[in-house]
Amino acid sequence: DVKVTQSSRYLVKRTGEKVFLECVQDMDHENMFWYRQDPGLGLRLIYFSYDVKMKEKGDIPEGYSVSREKKERFSLILESASTNQTSMYLCASSPAGGLGYGYTFGSGTRLTVV
Amino acid sequence: GQSLEQPSEVTAVEGAIVQINCTYQTSGFYGLSWYQQHDGGAPTFLSYNGLDGLEETGRFSSFLSRSDSYGYLLLQELQMKDSASYFCAVRGYSTLTFGKGTMLLVSP
Repeated sequence: DVKVTQSSRYLVKRTGEKVFLECVQDMDHENMFWYRQDPGLGLRLIYFSYDVKMKEKGDIPEGYSVSREKKERFSLILESASTNQTSMYLCASSPAGGLGYGYTFGSGTRLTVV
Repeated sequence: GQSLEQPSEVTAVEGAIVQINCTYQTSGFYGLSWYQQHDGGAPTFLSYNGLDGLEETGRFSSFLSRSDSYGYLLLQELQMKDSASYFCAVRGYSTLTFGKGTMLLVSP
């Protein structure tokens, strides 16, 4: 079965810490995405990648960076965590032609910054 | 950019039919998707319309009118397990842009 795995379900970090959120997919998908989900705001795209070492900014990239050194792994980095980055973070992947119907999401990482 | 509008909440009873509407404004449009998310779970793909018309998958159907920038998700024979959030999403050139979601509450 198709799977996207996020390394942590819950995470608590302190303000100013550098935070790494990891995502691994086992479907050989080309595209990978990071979204954050907040009540009343839906899912907002932070960054995406359509190939190894490639990255593109989404709608809200400020305060974040990403890394994709291997096809199956896409990491989201909070350079200096702030309380307004407390959120649910969702990773997703899709095959090259599956932008409309091929997204598979991970179960999410609920990050709390204190 | 993209913007999508969908109702924040819809309530219905078991066995009923419910329609969740989605209107969108977009600078580039390739299709409309629908995703379901149960509380605490991952969003899961339900349906995709790349062309105008109706797509049917079991109890769920989705409709698209590109000329009206409008689509809807139709859920028939509602079950308690259909209580969840439903997101419409516009497919642009590279990514999906999601609406804010509609919470569907199904009561006995």
